[in-house]
Amino acid sequence: GAVVSQHPSWVICKSGTSVKIECRSLDFQATTMFWYRQFPKQSLMLMATSNEGSKATYEQGVEKDKFLINHASLTLSTLTVTSAHPEDSSFYICSARSGLAGEGDTQYFGPGTRLTVL
Amino acid sequence: DQQVKQNSPSLSVQEGRISILNCDYTNSMFDYFLWYKKYPAEGPTFLISISSIKDKNEDGRFTVFLNKSAKHLSLHIVPSQPGDSAVYFCAASATKTGANNLFFGTGTRLTVIP
Repeated sequence: GAVVSQHPSWVICKSGTSVKIECRSLDFQATTMFWYRQFPKQSLMLMATSNEGSKATYEQGVEKDKFLINHASLTLSTLTVTSAHPEDSSFYICSARSGLAGEGDTQYFGPGTRLTVL
Repeated sequence: DQQVKQNSPSLSVQEGRISILNCDYTNSMFDYFLWYKKYPAEGPTFLISISSIKDKNEDGRFTVFLNKSAKHLSLHIVPSQPGDSAVYFCAASATKTGANNLFFGTGTRLTVIP
């Protein structure tokens, strides 16, 4: 299957700082990437859909000015949590839509990034 | 509004037996369904998918069944192995709408007892 990486795998930052998380599709090009957030013992919540070369589409209730998404190339999308606060502490996971023959609608997930804001 | 539901939060099965995980959905526009396996602090791992034009898809020990009229799908794992212990999420997508995003269930924690 396709491989998606995320960096960093975990980060601790002070309140008020910004944190950038990278999501890369390693062996395929992904025109569409997705950013999810998972709270403890809960399902994955879609935050936004990132399309290469265009603005991200945010889900209702997700602040686009707080969670900046950039999809500058077919293999890289970034999520920047701006002015992070303790309530932003969570597990952030990205995925990439494979677009491969026979599995065009399958999403492959990165390993996730654990963000802790002090 | 939870459009994809997994009503069993947990399931325990003896090693070697069959594990059956269930999933229900409400949106009739969903036409592509997937199962993912997830360990704590890791991203979901894709297991198997099924398009709405099929009612069964098999891959090794994993088989997914789709009952469109009942808006129900299930994942069968046979024989179950201790390494299968994880949280399993079903997900659905309405591909013809062009939205591409997945709607996830709340997950079922499978424990396979050696």
